[in-house]
Parts: sequence; C-alpha cells; structure tokens
Amino acid sequence: QKEVEQDPGPLSVPEGAIVSLNCTYSNSAFQYFMWYRQYSRKGPELLMYTYSSGNKEDGRFTAQVDKSSKYISLFIRDSQPSDSATYLCAAGVGQLTFGSGTQLTVLP
Amino acid sequence: DTAVSQTPKYLVTQMGNDKSIKCEQNLGHDTMYWYKQDSKKFLKIMFSYNNKELIINETVPNRFSPKSPDKAHLNLHINSLELGDSAVYFCASSQRTGSVYYEQYFGPGTRLTVT
Repeated sequence: QKEVEQDPGPLSVPEGAIVSLNCTYSNSAFQYFMWYRQYSRKGPELLMYTYSSGNKEDGRFTAQVDKSSKYISLFIRDSQPSDSATYLCAAGVGQLTFGSGTQLTVLP
Repeated sequence: DTAVSQTPKYLVTQMGNDKSIKCEQNLGHDTMYWYKQDSKKFLKIMFSYNNKELIINETVPNRFSPKSPDKAHLNLHINSLELGDSAVYFCASSQRTGSVYYEQYFGPGTRLTVT
C-alpha cells in the first residue's frame, strides 16, 4: 500500500464547476500537506500547503486536511480551462511523499 | 529568471551508456532534491542534499550517483543506463527552515529515454 493514495482520474468537468480532488494517507506522523499542480511536460508547481488539520483558502482554491480520517482535499471553485492539469497531493514529516496525481480537464 | 533550471531537457541514449543531468537553483535555498517521475506520474524522491551534505538517500540503484559541488548545484550521474531508467527526472529545492522546508520548487524536468 502506498503511503499517499490518490484517485488518478481522469476527471472532466465543465467550466465553472466546483472540483473536488482527494487523497488519503496512511502515516499518522505526517504533519505537512501540500498540493502541487503540474501542466503537461512541465515541473510541478506548489499551489498551497497546510500544517496539521484544518482549512486554507487562496482565491478559488481551498485545501482541507482531516487528520482523524487521514484525508486531504483540494476544492477548486469556478473552475477554468486554465486549471486543466495534473494535481499532485503530497504529505510528510521530514520528507514529502507524493500521490500519483489526478488529471483534471476543465471543458470550455 | 529561471528559479530551478535543469540541463538537458531531453536525453535519448542507448542502454549501457553513462549520462549526467545538471541542476542549478538561484533561489538561495540550502536543500536540493532529485525526484523520478514514472509514466504514471508517480513522483518519487531519490536523493536530497542540504548544504552539500547528503541527507536523503532512498533505495536507488548505486548506478545513480548525485553530486553537489555547492548548495546551488546538484548533479545526477547515471552509469550503465537501463531501459527501466526511462522517466522524467526533476530537480527541486527548498529552504530547510521550519515549515518552509516543505515548499519545494521544481525544475522543468529532464525527459530521459533509454533505447
């Protein structure tokens, strides 16, 4: 079992939809939770991160961590075609363990 | 200005060859990493250096040897390349200070194809 599991999708939504991306993790020692966005043939770029449980909002993006259920979520409001990318969750303490990514397509 | 740069961007080579990938960061970070991303987008850490000192060395064949001449540079040398080494290799950097440590900035990747 991988330490960080992520539904690979692909996920296809219409423009303006609310997108929910999810990951689960198994190591209860993980304290830092990250979301990266990766466009095709590019390097991952950090979107946002949270420390321990709770929510964090940045514009149209909200990251949520529930440590009791070991669940990590990223919500994208008013999704845009430019949000089409692979989204990677990561968690760790000491070093990051990445999920395998969810491929998202937002259709105009 | 590119924050984390890698060369080359593409590398096509034959089995058995030796090749190197270079990485440079101009962010002033003290920690650098090598990751391997397979065809299923799974990103796995290989090595990490902090101020030129190896701090993470995952289970990687010893054909892979990292080298950090200074804290702004981290190179990866691969001996006797195998078909299974075909992947995208990413360099990343961060600052090893509290939570900022986890804010890793990635390079554009080096797409290695072994034939």
